[in-house]
Amino acid sequence: GAGVSQSPSNKVTEKGKDVELRCDPISGHTALYWYRQSLGQGLEFLIYFQGNSAPDKSGLPSDRFSAERTGGSVSTLTIQRTQQEDSAVYLCASSSPPRTYEQYFGPGTRLTVT
Amino acid sequence: GNSVTQMEGPVTLSEEAFLTINCTYTATGYPSLFWYVQYPGEGLQLLLKATKADDKGSNKGFEATYRKETTSFHLEKGSVQVSDSAVYFCALSESYSWGKLQFGAGTQVVVTP
Repeated sequence: GAGVSQSPSNKVTEKGKDVELRCDPISGHTALYWYRQSLGQGLEFLIYFQGNSAPDKSGLPSDRFSAERTGGSVSTLTIQRTQQEDSAVYLCASSSPPRTYEQYFGPGTRLTVT
Repeated sequence: GNSVTQMEGPVTLSEEAFLTINCTYTATGYPSLFWYVQYPGEGLQLLLKATKADDKGSNKGFEATYRKETTSFHLEKGSVQVSDSAVYFCALSESYSWGKLQFGAGTQVVVTP
């Protein structure tokens, strides 16, 4: 079946602009995660959604970052007023209880802020 | 807080050599431990897991044993192939955190013919 998909695959934006990154999880997966992979910080957790529960936003680095998940499926990560340090690969993953640890990752969106 | 420490790379070795990648962790609870792998040009994928002390995870010839007494989860493979060239990430997840993963920095492995 289809895996996790993300769009766009690459995004170049100017400092100060807003960007939206999209994630389509595997159908039926109730858990969805966003991570960020950068040279300086490695792989960092950002946020996760589990069913109808309130999302865990504990990894978001600043209030410029937000995410939503509509209808328990597609998720959008929004970065407002982008900064150069936001340049990274943004990864989305999904999983399904009880094996929530077995996360299936998308190919990522490479964000470059100039 | 929780953390995962793994050996720095790159690790370069010849085909059929023995591979070990060290991983240690600190955790407040009783975590599950994982190795994820990222092949060139591909997404992260789960390689193996262990959910309790003394469990041995294994897959594709790789093994790792959950050692609670030494807080370690070292990855080993007895005879590597060129196709094992990838970046390997050690990770942990606390049982109360719904699978949220905390990753180590990653170790690049390069296997030469």
